[in-house]
Amino acid sequence: SQQGEEDPQALSIQEGENATMNCSYKTSINNLQWYRQNSGRGLVHLILIRSNEREKHSGRLRVTLDTSKKSSSLLITASRAADTASYFCATDAGSGNTGKLIFGQGTTLQVKP
Amino acid sequence: NAGVTQTPKFQVLKTGQSMTLQCAQDMNHEYMSWYRQDPGMGLRLIHYSVGAGITDQGEVPNGYNVSRSTTEDFPLRLLSAAPSQTSVYFCASSPRSASGANVLTFGAGSRLTVL
Repeated sequence: SQQGEEDPQALSIQEGENATMNCSYKTSINNLQWYRQNSGRGLVHLILIRSNEREKHSGRLRVTLDTSKKSSSLLITASRAADTASYFCATDAGSGNTGKLIFGQGTTLQVKP
Repeated sequence: NAGVTQTPKFQVLKTGQSMTLQCAQDMNHEYMSWYRQDPGMGLRLIHYSVGAGITDQGEVPNGYNVSRSTTEDFPLRLLSAAPSQTSVYFCASSPRSASGANVLTFGAGSRLTVL
């Protein structure tokens, strides 16, 4: 079964608003990553947070990690129409250095101009 | 750099036919993997490889074979296509990381339809 579950499955907001997506996972992890997928394209890495970190920022992205609750959130501030995409969390499921990631089901974000 | 290149982009097969999805990376990454993406299911790992000559099964390996004879190439073979294998397939690669944090680079995907 898949490691991650994401919430909500779909999100629609106006340009300029903030978008928050949540991810829960089942097993212990070494790190958690977020990826973005534009329609019809491959996934692109956004940000990685290690299990000993609680918060990380990259531009308009803010990621939090709560290992006690096995959950993470991705916040996109001041959203733009170009942020319209699907967003996936992924963990190594504690598998270590294998290049093997387990993905959540994704959140589809629509940002209306 | 081309990154991760997948071919073909689109393919239609009849049930029972076999085919190979090609994947090549030019970044000298040690790790490669294949995922399938179905609506509402996210990405599921089919097979992965930690280096030339080494492969292992992921979550949904049945009906698929892989081999890794070179660092660059990681083809995915469908032995006898079934309608349940209709999906979008993604190949990904990542470098070995001293910290164990493997960031994947994905190909553009191969859309397969099995009739």
